[in-house]
Amino acid sequence: EPEVTQTPSHQVTQMGQEVILRCVPISNHLYFYWYRQILGQKVEFLVSFYNNEISEKSEIFDDQFSVERPDGSNFTLKIRSTKLEDSAMYFCASSLLLQETQYFGPGTRLLVL
Amino acid sequence: AQSVAQPEDQVNVAEGNPLTVKCTYSVSGNPYLFWYVQYPNRGLQFLLKYITGDNLVKGSYGFEAEFNKSQTSFHLKKPSALVSDSALYFCAVRDMDSNYQLIWGAGTKLIIKP
Repeated sequence: EPEVTQTPSHQVTQMGQEVILRCVPISNHLYFYWYRQILGQKVEFLVSFYNNEISEKSEIFDDQFSVERPDGSNFTLKIRSTKLEDSAMYFCASSLLLQETQYFGPGTRLLVL
Repeated sequence: AQSVAQPEDQVNVAEGNPLTVKCTYSVSGNPYLFWYVQYPNRGLQFLLKYITGDNLVKGSYGFEAEFNKSQTSFHLKKPSALVSDSALYFCAVRDMDSNYQLIWGAGTKLIIKP
C-alpha cells in the first residue's frame, strides 16, 4: 500500500541554523500539506500546496518557512533560521483531491538547541 | 471560528467492553470529519471519515463513528475493545466550504486494560 515517507526521522540543530525536512508524498496525489505537533499540544496546520504553489497557510507559517516541490516526487519544508520554539514533530501529508483523505507520514522530530 | 473539542484527556476501558471516544466540532459550513490514531513514536494513521451520506461510518480495525448534526458530534466507537487499541486518538474537521486545512482536537488517550 502506498504511503507517505519522511526524512530524517529525527533532526537536532542549533538555534539559527537552517533545516530542510523532506517528504515523499503518495505518487498520484496532487495536494500536499505540512503540520506540526509541539510536544503535548494539538496538531497545527502549517501550509497546503497544490499545482506548485501555496494554497493556504497559517499564521505560524511566517517568512522563516518555505516549501518547495523540487522534482516530481519530493516535497520539502525549509526553516531558514530555527528558533527554540520550532522544536516539534513535523508531519507531511498528501491527498489525491482536495476533498479526499489526507494521509500522513511518520513525522520528523526536530529539536532546536 | 472552527474548532474541535475532545472533552476527555483519557479513556479507560476493559478489554472486551465497548468503547466511546467523544468529539464535538464547530464549523461555519458543512463539515468533513475525520478520526486518526497515533501509536507511540508513529505517525497519524487514518481511521475513518464522514463527508456525506449515512451518519454511521465504518472504518479500519472495527471502529465506527456516528455523525450527529444536531449535537455537532462525531463520536468514535467500537463494540469490543482490544488491548492493541490503546493509542492516542485525534478527531479532526475540515470546513468543506472554506479551506484546505484540518483543524484538530487535542487528542484522547485510550487505555484498554486486560
